[in-house]
Amino acid sequence: NAGVTQTPKFRVLKTGQSMTLLCAQDMNHEYMYWYRQDPGMGLRLIHYSVGEGTTAKGEVPDGYNVSRLKKQNFLLGLESAAPSQTSVYFCASSYPVLVPSGANVLTFGAGSRLTVL
Amino acid sequence: AQSVTQPDIHITVSEGASLELRCNYSYGATPYLFWYVQSPGQGLQLLLKYFSGDTLVQGIKGFEAEFKRSQSSFNLRKPSVHWSDAAEYFCAVGPMEYGNKLVFGAGTILRVKS
Repeated sequence: NAGVTQTPKFRVLKTGQSMTLLCAQDMNHEYMYWYRQDPGMGLRLIHYSVGEGTTAKGEVPDGYNVSRLKKQNFLLGLESAAPSQTSVYFCASSYPVLVPSGANVLTFGAGSRLTVL
Repeated sequence: AQSVTQPDIHITVSEGASLELRCNYSYGATPYLFWYVQSPGQGLQLLLKYFSGDTLVQGIKGFEAEFKRSQSSFNLRKPSVHWSDAAEYFCAVGPMEYGNKLVFGAGTILRVKS
């Protein structure tokens, strides 16, 4: 089982450059999420999607765009990278509703470390 | 607004000693509570979760956590720490419905000394 796969794992950008992070899941999950992780701040939700073709803003959406053209993929884009976007980005996926069995808790990818110079 | 506080940024314990990581939350309704662990360079792995029922929940790797509604706490415990437990631990709170949008604490880094 691959689970949640993120590419690339590492990337260095210059200020103003653009890039896209790809998240792919093979668990047929409806919901997908992008978080960023910064020291001392835990994980903060950037954008999320509740189904193919839908996206919504999370806690820190500014400077990012997302697309969910296929159910299994969730793309995070930076149109004009800034040093403040240096972070580790995590993708996660889940079924829509938590149930006591816990089968549909969030499953995380391994992370993508982005450095913006 | 919902929030999670992990008061300890770093904790160091000796191998074999007991461990307690603190988590306090603020949430308007009955929360769903989670503990995740992140080993260096890895993604987050679910340790345990609380949805309802017995307030003492068991997780993987010998961890347990106790939900105390009166104290708005969900502290993580382990009776005897192993060197391999060195990692960063995150407490998270979320709703049952609509999108599982978890709110995470800032994390506690556990160091284990031999």
